[in-house]
Amino acid sequence: QLQLQESGPGLVKPSETLSLTCTVSGVSITMSGYYYAWIRQAPGEGLEWIGSVSYRRGTSSRGITSYTPSLKSRATISLDTSKNQVSLKLGSVSDADTAVYFCVRHPRGGLEGSWGQGTLVAVSS
Amino acid sequence: QSALTQPASVSGSPGQSITISCTGTSSDVGSYNLVSWFQQYPGKAPKVVIYEVTKRPSGVSNRFSGSKSGNTASLTISGLQADDEADYFCCSFTGSDSYVFGTGTKVTVL
Repeated sequence: QLQLQESGPGLVKPSETLSLTCTVSGVSITMSGYYYAWIRQAPGEGLEWIGSVSYRRGTSSRGITSYTPSLKSRATISLDTSKNQVSLKLGSVSDADTAVYFCVRHPRGGLEGSWGQGTLVAVSS
Repeated sequence: QSALTQPASVSGSPGQSITISCTGTSSDVGSYNLVSWFQQYPGKAPKVVIYEVTKRPSGVSNRFSGSKSGNTASLTISGLQADDEADYFCCSFTGSDSYVFGTGTKVTVL
């Protein structure tokens, strides 16, 4: 049974790096045709796609990535195939990065698919 | 990459039909038949109710339907029920493996 579980610190200080992990169970993250996205939702706000990563045989095992332009300079999404995990690193965080962060397994072209339950990260000193 | 535009709120009485619009541009909604709609209850992860403009996942009520015309996609909920009260978000593929969400619509059942 496919499951995605986000984990990481619930509190990060301003200017530091937010690091989250999505542990995928029930399927290999190297299975072709699927992507893994990070999506966030600030309190009381809408959804924001941060970026997606997919495994491509013959390329870097860390995956092929795409990012939303506004976060591209601060975000890094990568795969750890040995642990079947997907990670998100977001640098130089501020209050505006306080949000629930979701991990999603999706096909190309749409964010429908399996969602994790989400994890709340607060940015505060 | 601007968020797709949705009305902030839509309401209807039980049994009625409501339609939520999602307006983008020729670079996203207008270019791809890859618009999905998500339903979200407070404190929960979103759940897809429509994908690829008109397709309904297994298990989703046939009261939910989707359509698209030009740069605007729409979600219609017919036979409105109390448990349809939730937030709804549209999402479009924008090319180059990228996506953009709508601003979100709160549906209230009167």
